[in-house]
Amino acid sequence: GDSVTQMEGPVTLSEEAFLTINCTYTATGYPSLFWYVQYPGEGLQLLLKATKADDKGSNKGFEATYRKETTSFHLEKGSVQVSDSAVYFCALPIYNQGGKLIFGQGTELSVKP
Amino acid sequence: KAGVTQTPRYLIKTRGQQVTLSCSPISGHRSVSWYQQTPGQGLQFLFEYFSETQRNKGNFPGRFSGRQFSNSRSEMNVSTLELGDSALYLCASSLSAGGRSSYEQYFGPGTRLTVT
Repeated sequence: GDSVTQMEGPVTLSEEAFLTINCTYTATGYPSLFWYVQYPGEGLQLLLKATKADDKGSNKGFEATYRKETTSFHLEKGSVQVSDSAVYFCALPIYNQGGKLIFGQGTELSVKP
Repeated sequence: KAGVTQTPRYLIKTRGQQVTLSCSPISGHRSVSWYQQTPGQGLQFLFEYFSETQRNKGNFPGRFSGRQFSNSRSEMNVSTLELGDSALYLCASSLSAGGRSSYEQYFGPGTRLTVT
C-alpha cells in the first residue's frame, strides 16, 4: 500500500546551518506531495507542495523537488533560523481517496542560536 | 479568508463519557477530513465528509463517528471514551472540486482531548 517514510528526529542544528529532511514514498500513480509544518501547540500548516514529477515546491526559503526516479521529496533550507524550530511532516494523498492524506512520522527540528 | 476553526480547543472528559467536536471549514471548501494525532501513532486519518456524505473512512472503531451539515461544517463524536482516545484531533478542509489542487488540505488548530 501507499506509504511515506521520513528520517527520524530530532534534528538539532545551529542557526544558519543547512537543513535536509529526507522523505521517500510508495504510491499508486503519481500523486501530489506535500510538506506540512507544526509549531508547538498548533495545527498543521501547508509549507509547500509539488503536483508532478520534477516540480519544485518552495516557500519561506524551504524547497523540495518531486523525484519520481528515486520516489523522494526531500525538504531543504539553506540557512535555518531559530523560528524554524518545529515538527515537519511529509504527506501524500491516497489514490482515488483524495480526502485522505497519509503522513510520515514527523521530524522534529530544533535550531539553536 | 478565515481559516479552519475548531471548537473547543481543550476538553477534559472521563472514561465512558461521550464528546462532540466541531469544525468550520474555510469558506467555499466542501470537504472536511478528521485526523487523530498521538505521540505513539502519529497522524491517523479518521474520516472525510463531502456534501454531507462520508466519502472515506480510516481504521477506527465505530465509537468514532461524524457528520457534515449543509453549510459544510462538521462534527465528530466519540462515544464511550477510553483513556487511549486522549489525543489532538485535527480537522482539515479542502476544495475537493476536482484536479490536484483539491488534494491540498488546510488544518485547524485542533482540539486537545484528555480522557481521565
